[in-house]
Amino acid sequence: GDSVTQMEGPVTLSEEAFLTINCTYTATGYPSLFWYVQYPGEGLQLLLKATKADDKGSNKGFEATYRKETTSFHLEKGSVQVSDSAVYFCALTMGGGSNYKLTFGKGTLLTVNP
Amino acid sequence: GAGVSQTPSNKVTEKGKYVELRCDPISGHTALYWYRQSLGQGPEFLIYFQGTGAADDSGLPNDRFFAVRPEGSVSTLKIQRTERGDSAVYLCASSPNQGDWQFFGPGTRLTVL
Repeated sequence: GDSVTQMEGPVTLSEEAFLTINCTYTATGYPSLFWYVQYPGEGLQLLLKATKADDKGSNKGFEATYRKETTSFHLEKGSVQVSDSAVYFCALTMGGGSNYKLTFGKGTLLTVNP
Repeated sequence: GAGVSQTPSNKVTEKGKYVELRCDPISGHTALYWYRQSLGQGPEFLIYFQGTGAADDSGLPNDRFFAVRPEGSVSTLKIQRTERGDSAVYLCASSPNQGDWQFFGPGTRLTVL
């Protein structure tokens, strides 16, 4: 079945460091891809998405590019802040039919130190 | 406007008891999803409603789990004869239409002793 694999954490960075969180997927068709973020004590929030190959999603300084050839959707940010400390989830949906259920990776805990 | 709300935020119960978890989606959202998140894992799909009907319940782990959405708004996830393995955070999400991105509630943390 469809699945998402993301790099295991935890990831600990200093403020202003460059961030990459790797995400690869396995799917029978062409999924839409998402990054969700869960800040401490809060619910899951959509961070960014891409719906077709070569699309780049971006939000709050984060970016991810849908790479069909490598089945990847790596999350990047050029300069992280303490407020970016959270758990990040990569996810996909196949859509089609009547169900757009999300399939998630296990999550990556990011801690940014001042 | 209000987001997705879930009640209770925490529920502690004993093995074998019955529990109900409630989800209030964003007003006007027709699609509603339930997920379960175990410790250290990503959320896993349980059931999807489009309007009042369960369009896909393939993620429900067994027949102890059941969910309803009688008026196409509020949904209740019901778990009978709870087991310790049911302990998890139960998440609800809604979207305006199928295919739109999903807005998640804060979850209900269920602990079965």
